[in-house]
Amino acid sequence: KAGVTQTPRYLIKTRGQQVTLSCSPISGHRSVSWYQQTPGQGLQFLFEYFSETQRNKGNFPGRFSGRQFSNSRSEMNVSTLELGDSALYLCASSHRGGGWETQYFGPGTRLLVL
Amino acid sequence: AQTVTQSQPEMSVQEAETVTLSCTYDTSENNYYLFWYKQPPSRQMILVIRQEAYKQQNATENRFSVNFQKAAKSFSLKISDSQLGDTAMYFCAFMKTHSNSGYALNFGKGTSLLVTP
Repeated sequence: KAGVTQTPRYLIKTRGQQVTLSCSPISGHRSVSWYQQTPGQGLQFLFEYFSETQRNKGNFPGRFSGRQFSNSRSEMNVSTLELGDSALYLCASSHRGGGWETQYFGPGTRLLVL
Repeated sequence: AQTVTQSQPEMSVQEAETVTLSCTYDTSENNYYLFWYKQPPSRQMILVIRQEAYKQQNATENRFSVNFQKAAKSFSLKISDSQLGDTAMYFCAFMKTHSNSGYALNFGKGTSLLVTP
């Protein structure tokens, strides 16, 4: 079975631009979660999607949004990029999202905002 | 809200030795899961071990074991017979068991473990 894939792997943007990151979960997984990892704040939860519905959202501004498609693939979008958005963005997938399952993480997308 | 605290930013251990990483958490929940994740230099996050809060028996996975003290809200990871490949960032994480509003892993800041020859 293929693992969680994230595209692109690396991205450089300038302040004010917007960016879209993609995550393809493991086949059969319907829950996709997104996390932001920075040296200062560590790993922070962004949102979780299940069957095309956002079930949970972390404490991030409205510039951060996401969606999930019928094939469970998920995208997250960041508008009006700020320098502080530079981070590694990780997505994780599982069948239903609960702690009794293993969350499988993708390799991440490294975003650099200049 | 749940908080997860890892008080050791960096640790070092020699190959074949045993090391213990500490984690404490704060929650008002009675049912939850605790995890240790490993993130090597490749940045690929990998689950090391999981503990269900309702289970008194400590989880073990080969060389990895935990000491779960529910009353003290403590969840430490013991790595036995350390190997060079264990060099990584280790994150302690918490997740509620039941949620009507979805699930989320709440991570600590991490402990950087270096295994030396």
